[in-house]
Order: sequence, then structure tokens, then C-alpha cells
Amino acid sequence: QLQLQESGPGLVKSSETLSLTCGVSGGSIRSSSYFWSWVRQPPGKGLEWIGSMFYSGTTYYNPSLKSRVTISVDTSKNQFSLKLSSVTAADTAVYYCTRPSSDSWGQGTLVTVSS
Amino acid sequence: QAVVTQEPSLTVSPGGTVTLTCDSSTGPVTTGHYPYWFQQKPGQAPRTLIYETSNRRSWAPGRFAGSLLGGKAALTLSGAQPEDEAEYYCLLSYSGIRVFGGGTKLTVL
Repeated sequence: QLQLQESGPGLVKSSETLSLTCGVSGGSIRSSSYFWSWVRQPPGKGLEWIGSMFYSGTTYYNPSLKSRVTISVDTSKNQFSLKLSSVTAADTAVYYCTRPSSDSWGQGTLVTVSS
Repeated sequence: QAVVTQEPSLTVSPGGTVTLTCDSSTGPVTTGHYPYWFQQKPGQAPRTLIYETSNRRSWAPGRFAGSLLGGKAALTLSGAQPEDEAEYYCLLSYSGIRVFGGGTKLTVL
């Protein structure tokens, strides 16, 4: 069964870059049939789609975050990553990696942006 | 950017039927929006209930069904159980750009 696990700092300073990695086990990230995504949820609020990536390299980003977001894949480590630059307090959220069509979700990691 | 709208809250009686809807600001929802439905309970990660309009994930009980209804994506729960009380989110795709709805808090009471 496919399992995903987010990793990265839980605290990031304002104006710096948030970096998270999603490790994939139980399956290969080299699947052209699926898209891999990052989703976030600010405390007490709803889900927000950050972006998605196909193994082919095609990426799609939330237009409101596009100028600050990069999603990339490392096939040698079977993982994909999220970078969000110039963070502010508004970026404080639980960040999830997911392959939604397979109901594969990481447990989520809380990232707090501090001033 | 498109706006996806869901009912903020709904209440259903145990054993009853309820339909949650997912509306797009750009026009009728079609299969080309690849509608997804997710269930999230407090303190937990979301779970995928329905993908691509009507495909139910293996864990999801048969009382959940996804469809298109009146130009919207719909999630129908037939025979509600107390454990179905949760937040439900839909997700639509606009040529690869995805947008979540604001979520529906479903109460089983």
C-alpha cells in the first residue's frame, strides 16, 4: 500500500523559504498515470490546493501562490518536494502531500511561520 | 480564478439521505472537471471518498455516491450513520489548476 510521509522544519522565519519533502514508499513515484500534490490547511480553516505534479514533469500551481511555489521530483529517492518562498504568517498551516486518486495522504506536518 | 462553492453546513438524521453539492463559478460542472470528494474528521488528514465524479475508493462505504446533478457535482449519502459526521470537501480541476470548495460540515443528528 502506498504510503506518504512529509518531512521538514516545523518552524520557518518570515521572508524565508519553506521546504518540505514527501517520501513515497510502497510504490514508485515514476507513475505517469497519477498526479502528486501538495495541499495545506491553515488552523481552523479549509483545504487549499498548492500544486500538482505529474511524473512527466508537468506541474500546475495555485495561481495565488504561483510566483512563490516550486514542486519538484527526485526519482532516485522516490520523493517529491515543495518550496514556498517569502513566507509570511499567512502561510502557517498543516501541509499535506497526497496522491488523491489513490487515497494516499501523508499525516500532515504543521509549519509555523514566525516573525 | 474559479470559485468552488459548497453548502457551509448540512444536517441529516441517522438513516436519512442528504446530498452535498459542489458548484463552479465558471459554469456547469462536467466530468472534465474531474470532481473529487474528500472526508475529513477533526484532527485527521483528509481521505479520498470519490474521484473523477463517481469512482468510490475501496474504503468508502457504499452509502456514498458521487454524481453530476443539475450542473453541479454531488455527493449523496444514503442511510447516514453517526460516523459520517465530518467535513466534506470537493475539488475541481480547471485544465490542471485545481480548486477546493470551502467544505460542508455534515452533522448527523
